[in-house]
Amino acid sequence: DAKTTQPTSMDCAEGRAANLPCNHSTISGNEYVYWYRQIHSQGPQYIIHGLKNNETNEMASLIITEDRKSSTLILPHATLRDTAVYYCIVRSYSSASKIIFGSGTRLSIRP
Amino acid sequence: DAGVTQSPTHLIKTRGQQVTLRCSPKSGHDTVSWYQQALGQGPQFIFQYYEEEERQRGNFPDRFSGHQFPNYSSELNVNALLLGDSALYLCASSRGLRDRGNTDTQYFGPGTRLTVL
Repeated sequence: DAKTTQPTSMDCAEGRAANLPCNHSTISGNEYVYWYRQIHSQGPQYIIHGLKNNETNEMASLIITEDRKSSTLILPHATLRDTAVYYCIVRSYSSASKIIFGSGTRLSIRP
Repeated sequence: DAGVTQSPTHLIKTRGQQVTLRCSPKSGHDTVSWYQQALGQGPQFIFQYYEEEERQRGNFPDRFSGHQFPNYSSELNVNALLLGDSALYLCASSRGLRDRGNTDTQYFGPGTRLTVL
């Protein structure tokens, strides 16, 4: 699975949009971009995933560049409960595909 | 719809002992993966079970073993515990190899916090 690069930490004001970048320049054509987040001492929570089109669900939006070498997770109206470590992961479409976690981005939401 | 459940929540053991952790997958899921997360680090893949067999394994010693039952639930066993085994152990479930219609998004349980003294 391809490696990803994320900023170590970010902060965002409550109520504003939080934009979390991720670089995955070595992504292969059959690899998806997944985002998970982990609130302190809890299990990772699935947020969203995509292949090449932008995706949106009730939690967030995922914007993938046309060359697929980078992506941005957008939390449209950040709240204090969004404070967490956010992991960007690329993995192939395979039911046997393990998840390789990096260090993630520690997002702090300030009041 | 019940999510992934794990038991126990917390566990304290001493070096050399053995431990068994349990996981029940999300309804409709038949594949279980186990991860170890040391303090301050991202989770690391231990192994994955499907159809009661270990299908893939990460870089963990044989002291780590597992089992999957016919109802898809799973156990993680760790023998001869070391201080370095202290971690949050996470279970994730997904739909398995038979399901070719969707990507196999893995959903995680709350984890079991193991402390080895």
